[in-house]
Amino acid sequence: TQLLEQSPQFLSIQEGENLTVYCNSSSVFSSLQWYRQEPGEGPVLLVTVVTGGEVKKLKRLTFQFGDARKDSSLHITAAQPGDTGLYLCAGRMTTDSWGKFQFGAGTQVVVTP
Amino acid sequence: NAGVMQNPRHLVRRRGQEARLRCSPMKGHSHVYWYRQLPEEGLKFMVYLQKENIIDESGMPKERFSAEFPKEGPSILRIQQVVRGDSAAYFCASSPPGRNTGELFFGEGSRLTVL
Repeated sequence: TQLLEQSPQFLSIQEGENLTVYCNSSSVFSSLQWYRQEPGEGPVLLVTVVTGGEVKKLKRLTFQFGDARKDSSLHITAAQPGDTGLYLCAGRMTTDSWGKFQFGAGTQVVVTP
Repeated sequence: NAGVMQNPRHLVRRRGQEARLRCSPMKGHSHVYWYRQLPEEGLKFMVYLQKENIIDESGMPKERFSAEFPKEGPSILRIQQVVRGDSAAYFCASSPPGRNTGELFFGEGSRLTVL
């Protein structure tokens, strides 16, 4: 079983639509990250959130960390084909003092023109 | 300003052979992490190293797998007597010294195929 559950597993939308992907856990995290990974490449860090209830915006992307620091969401407004990729969340548990991050299985997002 | 460099990008081995994967962290980075990714799965933590030290190898299989990060040269992930189940993409990530904020910079991965 995954420590971090991501949903949905796959999402296909048309350009211009909005989408939200979720990352949930029963564990509390000291911080949580979102990455995007494209085929044949390594993940690229999008954002790190550390405070419960925190909201961060990165252009058309909005990231939220749950109040209890157990879950997070990523919302994309007016999606573009360039947003296509595998979105991964990764959490660092409060007990991992040196910063090991555990990854979810990812949400594959496909944005068609 | 080179990023994390991994080689080889693709490696094909027959069952029973050895695989060696190399990772050169970003300049100035002293923390190295290895992750394994199977198709349609997320990244599974394997090992965390600093120069000449293994800090956490809780994700490494007990047998056949080893990792090192010598004082000089790249980090090496070594898999002995490979089996088909070892086929995966292996990613290396690095982070700078000092307070570990967890910001990881990933390489492009090494894709191992075991025939």
